[in-house]
Amino acid sequence: GNSVTQMEGPVTLSEEAFLTINCTYTATGYPSLFWYVQYPGEGLQLLLKATKADDKGSNKGFEATYRKETTSFHLEKGSVQVSDSAVYFCALPPQGGSEKLVFGKGTKLTVNP
Amino acid sequence: GAVVSQHPSRVICKSGTSVKIECRSLDFQATTMFWYRQFPKQSLMLMATSNEGSKATYEQGVEKDKFLINHASLTLSTLTVTSAHPEDSSFYICSAREGSGHQPQHFGDGTRLSIL
Repeated sequence: GNSVTQMEGPVTLSEEAFLTINCTYTATGYPSLFWYVQYPGEGLQLLLKATKADDKGSNKGFEATYRKETTSFHLEKGSVQVSDSAVYFCALPPQGGSEKLVFGKGTKLTVNP
Repeated sequence: GAVVSQHPSRVICKSGTSVKIECRSLDFQATTMFWYRQFPKQSLMLMATSNEGSKATYEQGVEKDKFLINHASLTLSTLTVTSAHPEDSSFYICSAREGSGHQPQHFGDGTRLSIL
C-alpha cells in the first residue's frame, strides 16, 4: 500500500543554517505530494504541495521538488529562523478508495538563536 | 483562503461530562471532513471520516457510540465525546477537504481536551 518514509528527528539547527528533511514515498501512479507544518500547540497547516513530477512547491522560503525517479519530495530551506521551529509532516493523498491521508511520522525541528 | 475554524481550543471538565467540538470551513464548502486524535509526540491518528448528510465512517478501534460525529452541512461538523473519562484526554484536530482526495486537507487549530 501507499506509504511515506520521513527522516527521523529531532533536528536541531542554528539560525540561518540550511535545512533538509528527507521524504520518500511508495504509491501507485503519480499522486500529489504535500508538506504540512504543525507549530507548537496548533493544528496542521499546509506548507506546500506539488501535483506532478518535476513540480516544485514553495512557500515561506521552503521548497520541495517532486522527483519521480527517486520517489522523493525532500523539504529544503536555505536559511532557517527560530520561528520555523515546528513539526513537519510529509503526506500522500488517499488512494484506492481509502479516504486516509498518509502521513510520515513527522520531524521535529528546533532552531536556536 | 481555505480556513478551518475549530472551537473550543481548550476544554477542561469533569469525568462523565459530554463535550462537543465544532469544526467549520469558513471560505469553502467541505465535501468531506475528518477527525483526528494526536497523542504527545506522535503523528495524527484518523478517527473518522464524514461526508455531509451521511453517517460517518469510523476507523477500526474507534467507538462510534463514544465519539459521535455529525456533519449536518457543507461547512460544519461536530464531534461529541460522550461521558468522557481521563483516558479520552487528548488533542483532537479536525480537517476539511473540498472536492476529491487529490485535494489537500485543511486543518483546524485543534482542541486540547482534559478530563479530570
